[in-house]
Amino acid sequence: KQEVTQIPAALSVPEGENLVLNCSFTDSAIYNLQWFRQDPGKGLTSLLLIQSSQREQTSGRLNASLDKSSGRSTLYIAASQPGDSATYLCAASPQNQAGTALIFGKGTTLSVSS
Amino acid sequence: EAGVAQSPRYKIIEKRQSVAFWCNPISGHATLYWYQQILGQGPKLLIQFQNNGVVDDSQLPKDRFSAERLKGVDSTLKIQPAKLEDSAVYLCASSKTSGGPGETQYFGPGTRLLVL
Repeated sequence: KQEVTQIPAALSVPEGENLVLNCSFTDSAIYNLQWFRQDPGKGLTSLLLIQSSQREQTSGRLNASLDKSSGRSTLYIAASQPGDSATYLCAASPQNQAGTALIFGKGTTLSVSS
Repeated sequence: EAGVAQSPRYKIIEKRQSVAFWCNPISGHATLYWYQQILGQGPKLLIQFQNNGVVDDSQLPKDRFSAERLKGVDSTLKIQPAKLEDSAVYLCASSKTSGGPGETQYFGPGTRLLVL
């Protein structure tokens, strides 16, 4: 059964710092790995989706990498801003299941101070 | 285009009462998901629909939870009777075509349920 773990659970940084959020998964049989952002009281917003055949994806100041063999993904945020404060969730799309639902980690809550 | 709509946004009930949540996916999206997110946890799938058929409901507590998507568009999730541990955010998501693993899922704002 696929399990997704995120470290750290919470992170506080000053504005302008570069930071890395970590995600690990137990079963390398995945179609893709996605990173989401969740703001308080709101739904999830998709940030990046990395297909299993890809190594990384970039969008603006965000870069996500995927290493299937080691069961790891990282989300790199460059030059952090207070508006980046949110909870970041990673989710794996397992191959070995009936449907196409995502398996989520518990998230990393990021706080960027000005 | 309009996003995934959910109502109500908040609901407070007492244990053993019944409650229903409604979701309207993005127009034309064939696949619809209901996830449960308990405080401090990531979302967990309850049920996945492809049009009006069920693809995966293996984690749905069928003794108290039910869901339907009769016309393959909007969907209703019901809890009867509710327990304290059902307090959570219920998220609806949709994806465009066949629910293929490469597709992005679009999430609604969720319904926050508190069971007292």
